[in-house]
Amino acid sequence: DIQMTQSPSTLSASVGDRVTITCRASQSISYWLAWYQQKPGKAPKLLISKTRNLETGVPFRFSGSESGTEFTLTISSLQPDDFATYYCQQYHSYPYTFGQGTKLEIK
Amino acid sequence: EVQLVESGGGLVKPGGSLRLSCAASELAFGSYTMTWVRQAPGKGLEWVSSIGSSGTYQFYADSVKGRFTVSRDNAKNSLYLQMNSLRADDTAFYYCARARGTTTGFDYWGQGTLVTVSS
Repeated sequence: DIQMTQSPSTLSASVGDRVTITCRASQSISYWLAWYQQKPGKAPKLLISKTRNLETGVPFRFSGSESGTEFTLTISSLQPDDFATYYCQQYHSYPYTFGQGTKLEIK
Repeated sequence: EVQLVESGGGLVKPGGSLRLSCAASELAFGSYTMTWVRQAPGKGLEWVSSIGSSGTYQFYADSVKGRFTVSRDNAKNSLYLQMNSLRADDTAFYYCARARGTTTGFDYWGQGTLVTVSS
């Protein structure tokens, strides 16, 4: 099974900050990686597919990139609505796997 | 807008069974692979099972293999998860989710239904 190691588990930042969240895959997943945002009591929301493809309606301050088996979600300038928990997920092969999550908190 | 609505959650004793349902509003339901994802309270997301558009293939997480069965009825726009031999660590919110295509993540999710396994 492919393991997804996400870091950090918690991130404290301020409005306007640039932040990055990283996911490392235990083996090659090509570019089959998605990022989700989840707020308390809500279902996850798909932000990015295929490493870097933004979903319709997702602000351009969100971006995705990769270097080998390391994938990054960057938020260029944090807005109040961005404080949430973020998950990566590989869909290269079953069993699909999620990262452990990163809780983005207000500093 | 696609709507997915789960039902069937509740309190069940260890060793018991429960059947979850997910009703989809989309007419093209039969075109998509559907998936169950769960989340224990306060924990992360865990992929549980996926079923192909025609129901021909199913995949399961090792943690539920042999105990859970995914199925679908495309005529009723419905997805199901039969859960047997339930254990305390199956306690979670269960979400059904759809991927728009083979190249995307899960773009539509239900609101979730809570399964609590406790004596």
